[in-house]
Amino acid sequence: EDQVTQSPEALRLQEGESSSLNCSYTVSGLRGLFWYRQDPGKGPEFLFTLYSAGEEKEKERLKATLTKKESFLHITAPKPEDSATYLCAFNTNAGKSTFGDGTTLTVKP
Amino acid sequence: NAGVTQTPKFQVLKTGQSMTLQCAQDMNHNSMYWYRQDPGMGLRLIYYSASEGTTDKGEVPNGYNVSRLNKREFSLRLESAAPSQTSVYFCASSLSGTESYGYTFGSGTRLTVV
Repeated sequence: EDQVTQSPEALRLQEGESSSLNCSYTVSGLRGLFWYRQDPGKGPEFLFTLYSAGEEKEKERLKATLTKKESFLHITAPKPEDSATYLCAFNTNAGKSTFGDGTTLTVKP
Repeated sequence: NAGVTQTPKFQVLKTGQSMTLQCAQDMNHNSMYWYRQDPGMGLRLIYYSASEGTTDKGEVPNGYNVSRLNKREFSLRLESAAPSQTSVYFCASSLSGTESYGYTFGSGTRLTVV
């Protein structure tokens, strides 16, 4: 069965303290691994799509990477405004996304 | 550019009541989706519509029905609400479901069934 697992469930960092969020997946026929950011009371907002092992995407302090079994969202020198829940999701040939449970990141000033 | 608009934003129902959640997108997207999100959990797919005129069940369809009214609108109906359907409901859309820029989500409907 296709599935995705995110860890940790929650992560608390000091401002400037870099870290990584993990998304482990077991998917046959992967057609894209997605990262989203979700702020409290809002819908998820798209960040990145990765398609093949070795691929990397960057946006400001965020960098997403992909291996054959995992994706990482690296956060470099985070700021309080990076506090949010980060969701990963995968697509298969069916063209619909399956989401992980998310990692809630809190960055303290 | 409004993106994906959901109505209502909040709703309280009594057990057994029915209601319809409305969703409309103005991006000329072909595919539309309904997800629910429970506390501490990710999004679970209820129903989706790959294109106008088609609908398919997702992971948790029981107790729900959908209608793809036209290309812009995709509604979700609860025929007889139950407390287990208390959740936040998100509508999303995408051009085709497989493109590289993910889904565009609405801001959600927070539903409480008492």
